[in-house]
Amino acid sequence: DQQVKQNSPSLSVQEGRISILNCDYTNSMFDYFLWYKKYPAEGPTFLISISSIKDKNEDGRFTVFLNKSAKHLSLHIVPSQPGDSAVYFCAASASTGTASKLTFGTGTRLQVTL
Amino acid sequence: DVKVTQSSRYLVKRTGEKVFLECVQDMDHENMFWYRQDPGLGLRLIYFSYDVKMKEKGDIPEGYSVSREKKERFSLILESASTNQTSMYLCASSFLAGGRETQYFGPGTRLLVL
Repeated sequence: DQQVKQNSPSLSVQEGRISILNCDYTNSMFDYFLWYKKYPAEGPTFLISISSIKDKNEDGRFTVFLNKSAKHLSLHIVPSQPGDSAVYFCAASASTGTASKLTFGTGTRLQVTL
Repeated sequence: DVKVTQSSRYLVKRTGEKVFLECVQDMDHENMFWYRQDPGLGLRLIYFSYDVKMKEKGDIPEGYSVSREKKERFSLILESASTNQTSMYLCASSFLAGGRETQYFGPGTRLLVL
């Protein structure tokens, strides 16, 4: 049962344009969401996060939007740059008393073309 | 900067061998995690630990065990390696913060079981 879904395995965007990566979740207990970026042969790198009490969080070129009623979040990258080409993973967690387990999506490969 | 290191970047082992993957973090994090990443499946949690000598099963613990004798070190053990354990293995660590922590990943170990 895939609780976090990234339905687009790949996305190609021209340099300078907006990249929009989407993520859907099914577990209503999730209350914290993260985006990670992964280059080949490297570990994932934390990019940006959002708590369920917010609907938007912005950090430079990266903005994450959360629509709780639709159980949907998206990552916007503006403007896209060639160095943004990587695999992006959406992850979600539910508040617990111990370690927060992250549930990851299957990833979206972003290719930013010149 | 948080640093998570993994003992090997690449490993080649034979079926039936016992395999040890080591992970060390230098930020005094309470929580440590082991994932495997496979194409089309995203990151799947194998085991995690929220304290020394404490461990909990993740989503796919079968065929694996873990050891956490010191706070900074978390080992993943494949008792008898099989070809279906060929994968990229990723270690992560985080602070204990009641559901709002961010996990930081090591560079990964690509394991090939022949």
